[in-house]
Amino acid sequence: GAVVSQHPSWVICKSGTSVKIECRSLDFQATTMFWYRQFPKQSLMLMATSNEGSKATYEQGVEKDKFLINHASLTLSTLTVTSAHPEDSSFYICSLEYNEQFFGPGTRLTVL
Amino acid sequence: AQKVTQAQTEISVVEKEDVTLDCVYETRDTTYYLFWYKQPPSGELVFLIRRNSFDEQNEISGRYSWNFQKSTSSFNFTITASQVVDSAVYFCALSEDTTSGTYKYIFGTGTRLKVLA
Repeated sequence: GAVVSQHPSWVICKSGTSVKIECRSLDFQATTMFWYRQFPKQSLMLMATSNEGSKATYEQGVEKDKFLINHASLTLSTLTVTSAHPEDSSFYICSLEYNEQFFGPGTRLTVL
Repeated sequence: AQKVTQAQTEISVVEKEDVTLDCVYETRDTTYYLFWYKQPPSGELVFLIRRNSFDEQNEISGRYSWNFQKSTSSFNFTITASQVVDSAVYFCALSEDTTSGTYKYIFGTGTRLKVLA
């Protein structure tokens, strides 16, 4: 299967700052990537579908101006949490699609 | 609408016991895929199995087995002779074909399994 990496693994930031999370496909060119958010002891919720070279498709209730997604190459998608607040603290997981989804190891974001 | 229900929030068993994790799904698609993932405390999802809607054969992989029954829309997962290392959250997921041709996943709420020594 495809190998997906995420960077950073964890990040702590102050309220009001922006944080960028990278999702890389190490061995496969991914035209489609997905971003999920998982709050503690909850399920994974799809935030958006990231399409290479075009705008991301956001799920209902996800603020596109707050969660900026850029998929500029076939191996990299980035999620930027702008003006982060404590309620944005969560585990963010990306995946890429190649017949099925292959998941990254996740990024734990803590906003103080 | 597609939906995945894992009614068991948390299960505790003693080591060596067998345990079954339930998964019930709803979909209008005739072609779909079902998955089970394990999420240990580290958070990284570990793929366990993928089953397409046309393959109702039960599967066994070591101590793991899966029972897929379309008649009851269930895809249950059994761990035989559980071990402490099996302690994790287990997610059942359904893939949904979208109009754009991608397959979105819908996850159940997960079942937290605790295996006690």
